[in-house]
Amino acid sequence: DIQMTQSPSTLSASVGDRVTITCRASQSISSWLAWYQQKPGKAPKLLIYKASSLETGVPSRFSGSGSGTEFTLTISSLQPDDFATYYCQQYDTYFTFGQGTKLEIK
Amino acid sequence: EVQLVESGGGLVQPGGSLRLSCAASGFTFDTYWMSWVRQAPGKGLEWAANIKQDGSEKYYVDSVKGRFTISRDNAKNSLYLQMNSLRGEDTAVYYCARGPGAGVFDYWGQGTLVTVSS
Repeated sequence: DIQMTQSPSTLSASVGDRVTITCRASQSISSWLAWYQQKPGKAPKLLIYKASSLETGVPSRFSGSGSGTEFTLTISSLQPDDFATYYCQQYDTYFTFGQGTKLEIK
Repeated sequence: EVQLVESGGGLVQPGGSLRLSCAASGFTFDTYWMSWVRQAPGKGLEWAANIKQDGSEKYYVDSVKGRFTISRDNAKNSLYLQMNSLRGEDTAVYYCARGPGAGVFDYWGQGTLVTVSS
C-alpha cells in the first residue's frame, strides 16, 4: 500500500502570508497526486490534480508542484477563506489520502 | 449543477447492517465512476469503494472487503453501499463522490453519519 505523509500537521499563519504544505509518498507515484480543501462540517473540495493542474474555479493563489515522492501545495497570499484542512491524495495505485494539514489563523 | 445527496446513515449495533444511498443529479450519471469515501470523527479521509459506470468493476479498501458491497442503479441515478458486519471502526461520515475521473473525486455529497455502537 502507498502511504502518504503530510507536513506539518498544523500550520499557523496570517492573512497575506505565503504558505507551503508538503506531501510525501512512500513510493513513486509519478504526478498522480491531488489536493483537497476541507472546512469543518463540509465535504472536501478538489483544488489541484495531476500534481500541478488547477481545478476549474479554484483561485490562482493555489499552486501545486512535485513529482515522484515529494509534492507541495503553495498558497501565495493567504485569504480569510483559506483557513481549513488540506489533504493530499495519491491515485497511482488505488487511492490513499494524507493525514491532513490544519491551517490555522495565527 | 451537480448534486449528490446521501441518506441512510444512523446508529447501528456492532454486527449489524445498514444501507446507504446517494441520489445524483445534474450530470450524466451512467458515464462516471462513483465512489464512497469515509471520514472517522476527527480523522482523515479514507477511500472505501468504487464502481465502474456499468457496475462491471468494483473495488474496495481491504478493511471493508467481504463486508461492504457497492452497487448502482443507473435508471434511478443512484449509488448504494450495503454495509454488513459493522464494527466500531466503521463509525464515520460516509461521502458519496463522483469519480475517480482520471483518479480524482471532483464532486462530493454532504455526507451521512454512521455510528456503530451498542
